[in-house]
Amino acid sequence: NAGVTQTPKFQVLKTGQSMTLQCAQDMNHEYMSWYRQDPGMGLRLIHYSVGAGITDQGEVPNGYNVSRSTTEDFPLRLLSAAPSQTSVYFCASSYIGRVYGYTFGSGTRLTVV
Amino acid sequence: KNEVEQSPQNLTAQEGEFITINCSYSVGISALHWLQQHPGGGIVSLFMLSSGKKKHGRLIATINIQEKHSSLHITASHPRDSAVYICAVKRGYGGSQGNLIFGKGTKLSVKP
Repeated sequence: NAGVTQTPKFQVLKTGQSMTLQCAQDMNHEYMSWYRQDPGMGLRLIHYSVGAGITDQGEVPNGYNVSRSTTEDFPLRLLSAAPSQTSVYFCASSYIGRVYGYTFGSGTRLTVV
Repeated sequence: KNEVEQSPQNLTAQEGEFITINCSYSVGISALHWLQQHPGGGIVSLFMLSSGKKKHGRLIATINIQEKHSSLHITASHPRDSAVYICAVKRGYGGSQGNLIFGKGTKLSVKP
């Protein structure tokens, strides 16, 4: 089925470990983005991309890295995990333009101990 | 002050009631989105609006661009409507203007 696939669904990390959250879409969307969702905070943008080879920072980029080597994939890397990065992470994609909606992945629940 | 404000934060209703969730925003926008998130679940797009009104089943979304306000209505509410409803706006089309700005969500609980 067409959509946004996020893996893993759950992850527990120790402080200082690194990991990559995967996001893939098969809709040929130009725009892809990563968000974190924390209680009482709403969704906050971490990084986004408007096409292969183009990435930019969002509201809360510190501690995270991204790359976009293909249209389909937009991985999010945690360089050295901290307890403050415990959160639920969502990836979303869209065509660029006025009339298009966004498709969200199912989320990754990350706990850093 | 947040650029997107939702009210109420929490809402409890009895099955069958008419429900309204409000969203106000303070920036110029190209589109407004209503999203639904069930407990422990992913996020689903319900509506995208740039003007007027849209209806899908028991859900109705309206927007007043001049007043910078949108409402999401649920008619004949059902326990399966229990979820968090999120309002998000997009300012423009290119670069950072295409990013969504989110409200904090309204948690709806519909009792049988």
